[in-house]
Amino acid sequence: SAVISQKPSRDICQRGTSLTIQCQVDSQVTMMFWYRQQPGQSLTLIATANQGSEATYESGFVIDKFPISRPNLTFSTLTVSNMSPEDSSIYLCSVLTGANVLTFGAGSRLTVL
Amino acid sequence: GENVEQHPSTLSVQEGDSAVIKCTYSDSASNYFPWYKQELGKGPQLIIDIRSNVGEKKDQRIAVTLNKTAKHFSLHITETQPEDSAVYFCAASPTGNQFYFGTGTSLTVIP
Repeated sequence: SAVISQKPSRDICQRGTSLTIQCQVDSQVTMMFWYRQQPGQSLTLIATANQGSEATYESGFVIDKFPISRPNLTFSTLTVSNMSPEDSSIYLCSVLTGANVLTFGAGSRLTVL
Repeated sequence: GENVEQHPSTLSVQEGDSAVIKCTYSDSASNYFPWYKQELGKGPQLIIDIRSNVGEKKDQRIAVTLNKTAKHFSLHITETQPEDSAVYFCAASPTGNQFYFGTGTSLTVIP
């Protein structure tokens, strides 16, 4: 299965700032996703990161707030813009590998003060 | 769209006992059902999965059963150990690249 590296693993940010999370995969994958996990909650899909085109966002998530880049088949970034305390969450990168198995990175734990 | 419900939300068992977590789904098109274990401070890890062409799958102390008619599937952990303590998520996938997650079960194994 794919090995996913995410960074930062955690960060504490000030309200109004932006943070970019990086996701590196050790092999080329077609499908990459970004999920949010709010404290004590389940996994919510933010968007599908499409290589070479704009990401596909789920209902309730917009590009201005969560811009995503996908320059190639092994790398993606998610930016959380103009952060507020409500954005405090774990942000998870995931990829779809052979036989449609969904694999997650370790996550980036974000705290907004 | 698909709706996945998971019960119980919390579960405590004595070490050595069995634990069962149940999920139901609504979309009959769902054909892939993975289970994830999330330890504190880590991302979800796939521990077992089942596809709709089988009714049961086992991997050592972990087993998953699927009842397509009733649209429910369950995770069974036997001979529980303290290291089994974690949050477990079920999921259903109708299309292969869409996954719908349950709300999670926090399992505590008491030594």
